[in-house]
Order: sequence, then C-alpha cells, then structure tokens
Amino acid sequence: ETGVTQSPTHLIKTRGQQVTLRCSSQSGHNTVSWYQQALGQGPQFIFQYYREEENGRGNFPPRFSGLQFPNYSSELNVNALELDDSALYLCASSLKGSTDTQYFGPGTRLTVL
Amino acid sequence: AQSVTQLDSHVSVSEGTPVLLRCNYSSSYSPSLFWYVQHPNKGLQLLLKYTSAATLVKGINGFEAEFKKSETSFHLTKPSAHMSDAAEYFCVVSDHNAGNNRKLIWGLGTSLAVNP
Repeated sequence: ETGVTQSPTHLIKTRGQQVTLRCSSQSGHNTVSWYQQALGQGPQFIFQYYREEENGRGNFPPRFSGLQFPNYSSELNVNALELDDSALYLCASSLKGSTDTQYFGPGTRLTVL
Repeated sequence: AQSVTQLDSHVSVSEGTPVLLRCNYSSSYSPSLFWYVQHPNKGLQLLLKYTSAATLVKGINGFEAEFKKSETSFHLTKPSAHMSDAAEYFCVVSDHNAGNNRKLIWGLGTSLAVNP
C-alpha cells in the first residue's frame, strides 16, 4: 500500500503567475481534499474531489481550481498568484463512506515573491 | 455549524510528566473527532479518531482522548511525555452538512514543548 504523495516539495513563483500542484492518493482511496496551511496556522479547507467531481468547497476564490483524474490523483491550480498564497499546500486522501479518516501527504511549500 | 476550539496555543511539560491538550467542539450532529500531529517540516499524521463507538479512544504513541458529550470536550492525554512528542497538535471535527459533503474543521493548533 502506497501513501499519499505530492509534487513538487518546494516551489517559488512570482506574483501573477500560475501554479499547478499534484497529488497521488493512497491506494484504494477515491476522495481527495486540498488544504492551505499558512505559517503558524491550522489547515484551511480549499475543496474536495470525489470521483472526478468537486464535492465541497471552502472559502477560497475561483482562481483556486482543481481536477481529479480517473485514477483518483488530483491537481490544484492557482491562477494570478498573490503574496498571501505563500503557504504549505496539503493533499489528503480518504475513502468516501468510511469514517472520514483522511491521510495526508507531506505537502508542497509554495513561496510567492 | 461545527466548530472546534483548542484552549491552549502553547503547552510546555517536562519529559516524563503527563500531557493534557484541551479541545472543545460544537456540533449539531453526532460528530466525528480527530487529533492530528504535525512535526516540524513534516506532514500531518493521524493520532486517533472518535466515531461514536467507545468514548475513550486509544491512539498511537501512547496518546488517548476521551469524548465527553456533556462537556463537548475531546481532550488529548498521554501519561508520560517523551522528547519526540514535541510538535503541533490539531483537534479536528468532521462537518456533516447536507448532502453528506464532509469536510474537516480544524482547530488553530497547540504547540507542545517537552523540556528535558
């Protein structure tokens, strides 16, 4: 059984650019959730994907978008990057219909200059 | 709406002494509750979870938590702290809203320091 993996581990971008972050879910899991964790804060829910469709969204603007693929891996896209987008982005996978246990990847550290 | 409050932002204990990290929750439904730990520059690891079974939940690394509905609390404890327990701890409630679109509601975290 493989765990949740994310790529890249670190990324530096400038304001206005676009970024794509990737996540491979744990084997057998069909749900992926994305979180933003600013320095010194708890994770904030961005959105969740289940079977390739968005299944809930937090309080994030439309420039945060995502995809889930048939193999349940997922992407997080952020357009028009702002300085405040600098954060650790966490992906978590789970099996919908279970007791909600989410398993997290190591995260992608995004720095926006 | 669900919410979770971690009552202490920082807790400092000596190695070998008990650990108590406090968490209160608010939920209109029968909640699922979790504790996660995050070591510096590492991802989040599930310590334990409560899902309406036994009220005393045992987790990894000697941690346990007790669900007290009358007090709306889910405090995390460990009898004897180890240096490796120093980390950030998050209390989390699962949001069971309409349509079963579940998401996790996170506390702000408690930073645990363990002194030699």
